[in-house]
Amino acid sequence: GQQVMQIPQYQHVQEGEDFTTYCNSSTTLSNIQWYKQRPGGHPVFLIQLVKSGEVKKQKRLTFQFGEAKKNSSLHITATQTTDVGTYFCATITSGTYKYIFGTGTRLKVLA
Amino acid sequence: DTEVTQTPKHLVMGMTNKKSLKCEQHMGHRAMYWYKQKAKKPPELMFVYSYEKLSINESVPSRFSPECPNSSLLNLHLHALQPEDSALYLCASSQARTNYGYTFGSGTRLTVV
Repeated sequence: GQQVMQIPQYQHVQEGEDFTTYCNSSTTLSNIQWYKQRPGGHPVFLIQLVKSGEVKKQKRLTFQFGEAKKNSSLHITATQTTDVGTYFCATITSGTYKYIFGTGTRLKVLA
Repeated sequence: DTEVTQTPKHLVMGMTNKKSLKCEQHMGHRAMYWYKQKAKKPPELMFVYSYEKLSINESVPSRFSPECPNSSLLNLHLHALQPEDSALYLCASSQARTNYGYTFGSGTRLTVV
């Protein structure tokens, strides 16, 4: 079935460094969403991207949808300890309309 | 009210027990979902209800039985579970199946002994 891979799987950064996670699909996506899950918590919706090449910002977070709509990225500028967690991309599969999650990137921020 | 409420938060059950997980939302959402999440893995879709009707069952074993009594409530009945069923069970809702950006509950952490 359709899979969405994220890289890297893990990332450790020093507080203040930047962080980027990438979400890749073998098929064209109609749209993509990003979630954050804190340790011991549940996924929390961050944003949705729909248009080819779309860029959206939320404070220190920048989200981008690729021109071919097969990949997306989440960039965090100047990470803080509150950014710790796992970041998932998610999308709906074509045809079956099942909402699936990417493999996730676990971020640790060292103070 | 912009929350999805799940009870209980933690559950320990034996393999011969019968228990139920409950999920409630009052956002007027017409689609509700059950996901299972193992440690360090992404959530995996189990069931989708749309307008109170089961629309997707991801080949989930019959020891998991979903129920949607009304548009605000979603239950997951558990019977004869196995230790490998231990996981975080997440309920989510959205305005409709084609609406994206789900609202998740805080989950039920289930341990089967």
